[in-house]
Amino acid sequence: DAGIIQSPKHEVTEMGQTVTLRCEPIFGHNFLFWYRDTFVQGLELLSYFRSRSIIDNAGMPTERFSAERPDGSFSTLKIQPAEQGDSAVYVCASRWHNWGNEQYFGPGTRLTVT
Amino acid sequence: KQEVTQIPAALSVPEGENLVLNCSFTDSAIYNLQWFRQDPGKGLTSLLLIQSSQREQTSGRLNASLDKSSGRSTLYIAASQPGDSATYLCAVRKETSGSRLTFGEGTQLTVNP
Repeated sequence: DAGIIQSPKHEVTEMGQTVTLRCEPIFGHNFLFWYRDTFVQGLELLSYFRSRSIIDNAGMPTERFSAERPDGSFSTLKIQPAEQGDSAVYVCASRWHNWGNEQYFGPGTRLTVT
Repeated sequence: KQEVTQIPAALSVPEGENLVLNCSFTDSAIYNLQWFRQDPGKGLTSLLLIQSSQREQTSGRLNASLDKSSGRSTLYIAASQPGDSATYLCAVRKETSGSRLTFGEGTQLTVNP
């Protein structure tokens, strides 16, 4: 089975630019989660989807962050405009069904905003 | 290689009881340790983050302690409530910048009314 695919692996961008991160979950997984991982704050949930519907995006730090999952498969996380404080690893995870406890984590995208 | 173990795997208690969840890790060279709560159908909710230089952190009815030298952390939940029922995960981060979290397998807690 293919695992979660996140692209790009590394992204370096300048302040004010638009960043789009992509996640392809494990095939058939209905739930998809976006996390931000920083050395200082640890892993924090940003938002998550069930199929194509966003269930909770309360963890999004500002309105500059948005996530979509247009057809219920892949998802994108957009930061517009990017700020230096957004530098972190953005991790995608997925789960098959509602009652399962096990989440599968992607390798993450390391974002550096200069 | 870091290994994280949580004991017990499952715990069922009556409402109002104080309880302790345990987490142990094999490599004491950690940067921090994080406790999460996982509810069915939801993402991980961060409960407490303890830096390696700290001994404990408190948030409401939750208290987490860290003994880095012995490779152990405990999560203490006071006056448990049915709403505390969930799976509790601990995760450690190594002392290298950009390292990823290593998760335990979790303790499934049920608080009975």
